[in-house]
Amino acid sequence: GAGVSQSPSNKVTEKGKDVELRCDPISGHTALYWYRQSLGQGLEFLIYFQGNSAPDKSGLPSDRFSAERTGGSVSTLTIQRTQQEDSAVYLCASSHYYAGGQGTQYFGPGTRLLVL
Amino acid sequence: GESVGLHLPTLSVQEGDNSIINCAYSNSASDYFIWYKQESGKGPQFIIDIRSNMDKRQGQRVTVLLNKTVKHLSLQIAATQPGDSAVYFCAETTQGGSEKLVFGKGTKLTVNP
Repeated sequence: GAGVSQSPSNKVTEKGKDVELRCDPISGHTALYWYRQSLGQGLEFLIYFQGNSAPDKSGLPSDRFSAERTGGSVSTLTIQRTQQEDSAVYLCASSHYYAGGQGTQYFGPGTRLLVL
Repeated sequence: GESVGLHLPTLSVQEGDNSIINCAYSNSASDYFIWYKQESGKGPQFIIDIRSNMDKRQGQRVTVLLNKTVKHLSLQIAATQPGDSAVYFCAETTQGGSEKLVFGKGTKLTVNP
């Protein structure tokens, strides 16, 4: 079956511009996560959506970052007034919710963002 | 303090050898652990997981060992192949709630033919 997909795969933008990154989770997965991976680093949690619950935004680094999830499926991560330090790979993951908690998180290929 | 940037622990092995990748996790309350493999230009790929009520779990050519006493996790790869070359990350989380993953820095495995 189809995995997590993300678009665009690469994005180059100028400092100060806004960007939108898209994630299509695995069909039927109710949980969706965004992570950020800077060059040569591990992944850093940004935000989590589960069903209709309020999202966990505790990982968003500043108020320039926001995300939404429409209809419990597709999610968009928006970065306003981009800065050079925002350059990173933005990864989306989804998982299935079980009675005991979340299942395995499966990752998309990521969007490589470069801010000039 | 920790170094930042391009430095990653590295492990270089010969094809056919066994590999052991180690990870020290930070939160004693973590109860679910996962190993991911990340090839260049791709997202992390799930390899194997283990819950805190176990100390060993085996998959195909891979074994994960968990030592909660010293907060240590290891991934053993048997008969390592060139296709195993990648960066390997351990991740920890606490079940219930958002279960956001906390990732280690990663280890770069290079398999020489």
